[in-house]
Amino acid sequence: GAVVSQHPSWVICKSGTSVKIECRSLDFQATTMFWYRQFPKQSLMLMATSNEGSKATYEQGVEKDKFLINHASLTLSTLTVTSAHPEDSSFYICSATRAGGLEAFFGQGTRLTVV
Amino acid sequence: GENVEQHPSTLSVQEGDSAVIKCTYSDSASNYFPWYKQELGKRPQLIIDIRSNVGEKKDQRIAVTLNKTAKHFSLHITETQPEDSAVYFCAASKGDTGRRALTFGSGTRLQVQP
Repeated sequence: GAVVSQHPSWVICKSGTSVKIECRSLDFQATTMFWYRQFPKQSLMLMATSNEGSKATYEQGVEKDKFLINHASLTLSTLTVTSAHPEDSSFYICSATRAGGLEAFFGQGTRLTVV
Repeated sequence: GENVEQHPSTLSVQEGDSAVIKCTYSDSASNYFPWYKQELGKRPQLIIDIRSNVGEKKDQRIAVTLNKTAKHFSLHITETQPEDSAVYFCAASKGDTGRRALTFGSGTRLQVQP
């Protein structure tokens, strides 16, 4: 199957700082990528849709100024958590699908801990 | 938007028994239904999926059934093994291929007792 790589796999940061998470499709081009958030013992919730060359679309309740998404190329989307707070601590995971395909390929996920 | 409900939230079975997890969805336009197994701290792993033009699909010990009229689909695991213990999520999606977000169910923690 296709490979989606996410980096870093875990990060600890101080309150008020920003953290950037990268999501790369390694063997296919992805005009659309998705960012999900998963709190402990909960399901994956869609945060935003990352569109190559255009603005991301955010789900209701997700602050676009706090979670900055950039999809500058067909293989890379980044999620920047700005001014992080402890309540932003979560598992963030991206996914992408091949053109014409249905199966979603997930990155490894990033465990963010804000202290 | 789409809403996917999943039951039960926890399921404990004896090794060798069968396990069934059920999901319902709300949006009749959804036409792709994957099932994922997720181990702690790991990415979801696709175990089986079904498209809306198919009623049932089987892969060794795992099967999925879909009832489009009732808008529900189920995961069946037979001859369960301890390594099947994990959290399982159902999901639904619709729209253009290559551009589909997933709506996940709430998850089922399956525990297989040796």
